[in-house]
Amino acid sequence: GQQVMQIPQYQHVQEGEDFTTYCNSSTTLSNIQWYKQRPGGHPVFLIQLVKSGEVKKQKRLTFQFGEAKKNSSLHITATQTTDVGTYFCAGRGTGANNLFFGTGTRLTVIP
Amino acid sequence: KAGVTQTPRYLIKTRGQQVTLSCSPISGHRSVSWYQQTPGQGLQFLFEYFSETQRNKGNFPGRFSGRQFSNSRSEMNVSTLELGDSALYLCASRLVTGAQITGELFFGEGSRLTVL
Repeated sequence: GQQVMQIPQYQHVQEGEDFTTYCNSSTTLSNIQWYKQRPGGHPVFLIQLVKSGEVKKQKRLTFQFGEAKKNSSLHITATQTTDVGTYFCAGRGTGANNLFFGTGTRLTVIP
Repeated sequence: KAGVTQTPRYLIKTRGQQVTLSCSPISGHRSVSWYQQTPGQGLQFLFEYFSETQRNKGNFPGRFSGRQFSNSRSEMNVSTLELGDSALYLCASRLVTGAQITGELFFGEGSRLTVL
């Protein structure tokens, strides 16, 4: 079955440092989405990537979709305390409608 | 526009009991998905409903079931509860355009189930 792995599981950074989380799928994805879950909250949609090699930016966040559409990354530049939370990737396989979520990366930002 | 509403927010059950959780999607969203979230396993897909029909199902035992009503509200039921069923159960709705279910998931706050 489809699996989506995400690394690292945890990341502690000093405020101002950069952060990257990586997502890898065992199968080709039709698209990939990223979500952020604040502590005690629920996942909130950040972005969707569809095209091979696609790169999208949202202020300090940069999202990439691999050329083979099997991996993706989220990079945060100059982290802030408001970036704290767990970041999940979620992939949809070709011909499938449901999303498979990665295991998530919990980000802690030390002020 | 109201968000996804889940009830109850918290509940405690004992082993062997059954539980029913409810989810009201965003108005106009006809697709409802359910996920189980635990610290060790992350977000695990349970099932997705659209137009009162189960479209996709995750890898969970038959004790987990669901349904969707004509107003798109959905319920999930877990029978013969086990300790390992303790988790946050999240419901998410999606917009459907034409025959395609696309776009982002809008999650509710979740129902936190504790099985003693």
